[in-house]
Amino acid sequence: SYELTQPPSASVSPGQTASITCSGHKLGDKSVSWYQQKSGQSPVQVIYRDYKRPSGIPERFSGSNSGDTATLTITETQPMDEADYYCQAWDSTYAVFGGGTKLTVL
Amino acid sequence: QVQLQESGPGLVKPSQTLSLTCTVSGDSISSSRYYWSWIRQPPGKGLEWIGRVYTRGTTNYNPSLESRVTLSADTSKNQISLNLISVTAADTAVYYCARTTVIAGPHFDFWGQGILVTVSS
Repeated sequence: SYELTQPPSASVSPGQTASITCSGHKLGDKSVSWYQQKSGQSPVQVIYRDYKRPSGIPERFSGSNSGDTATLTITETQPMDEADYYCQAWDSTYAVFGGGTKLTVL
Repeated sequence: QVQLQESGPGLVKPSQTLSLTCTVSGDSISSSRYYWSWIRQPPGKGLEWIGRVYTRGTTNYNPSLESRVTLSADTSKNQISLNLISVTAADTAVYYCARTTVIAGPHFDFWGQGILVTVSS
């Protein structure tokens, strides 16, 4: 079965840039989405189709995908960005999520 | 704005069947543009996709759950349903329904608030 691997945790200082990676075999050939989940809340889509931002998502969120790695980048990180982030892709007709990365803003 | 609301029992006994309903408002589940998915999250753990239903005929399941799960849609009530048989404590989770785009690069653009289901005697 297809697997997506994320680092369990990441930390960033306010105002700095955070990068969260997601690795999978030939992931660059797939379309990757990213979801933000704040404590006690439902996930929210922040990136889809590798780099597209849904309406209402700040421009500081961006995505890329090439080779075996997709990356979610948050520039000028704010305390409100502290959350769990999950990457997601499709293996044929079923969806796969990464294990999630807890981003701490301190 | 589309809204999804999960409902069902919060407590299920081991070996019994977990049954949940997702009521959709602000959109028609018959739309050709969307699938409707169920996703779950055990307490303190990550997200696991359960499956998706397309009211025009297609249903896909996570291979790890396929033998126990059935998804269905009731277009007259604008609802989708999940049945998971022979549950164990490992099925304890928050269960979400989510709208899923059909076009290339499908993604989950709207999620329900989730419902916690505990499997315990």
